[in-house]
Amino acid sequence: DQQVKQNSPSLSVQEGRISILNCDYTNSMFDYFLWYKKYPAEGPTFLISISSIKDKNEDGRFTVFLNKSAKHLSLHIVPSQPGDSAVYFCAASAGNQFYFGTGTSLTVIP
Amino acid sequence: KAGVTQTPRYLIKTRGQQVTLSCSPISGHRSVSWYQQTPGQGLQFLFEYFSETQRNKGNFPGRFSGRQFSNSRSEMNVSTLELGDSALYLCASSLGPREGAFFGQGTRLTVV
Repeated sequence: DQQVKQNSPSLSVQEGRISILNCDYTNSMFDYFLWYKKYPAEGPTFLISISSIKDKNEDGRFTVFLNKSAKHLSLHIVPSQPGDSAVYFCAASAGNQFYFGTGTSLTVIP
Repeated sequence: KAGVTQTPRYLIKTRGQQVTLSCSPISGHRSVSWYQQTPGQGLQFLFEYFSETQRNKGNFPGRFSGRQFSNSRSEMNVSTLELGDSALYLCASSLGPREGAFFGQGTRLTVV
């Protein structure tokens, strides 16, 4: 049972434009959400997080939005750069366990 | 500060064999989690250890087991390997769920 879902396996965006990656979750007990970025042959690296008491968190070009009523999380990258091309995983935690989505492969076209 | 170290990086095993993977967490991190990554399945949670105790377990058969030592290093064992066990196995350490998890580079296991 996939409690965290990323329904878009891939996304292509022009350099300089906005990339929007989406994530849905089913467990209302999740209280902390994270985004990870993964390059081939490397482990995922932490990108940005948000607590359930907030609806937005911004860090440079990366902004995460949380809509608790819709159980929806999104990551905005503005402006997108070719180096952002990677697989992005969203994750949620309740207690000590992280639940990950299946990932979205982002390609930023120069 | 050294990152999470997983050994070996690559492994080829035959069906029916067993395998042990190792993970050294970031110094000071007592929580170690293991994940299996396969195409289309994302990161599937295997188990999490904290202070040598398994706190959480995912939905995997009993062939998958793990342990954690007093220095927080962890090992994962898979017995009676099946072709479907071929995957990237990732280890992550953290101070707690609010701190995020730091991943190693993974062990690529191929079962032939």
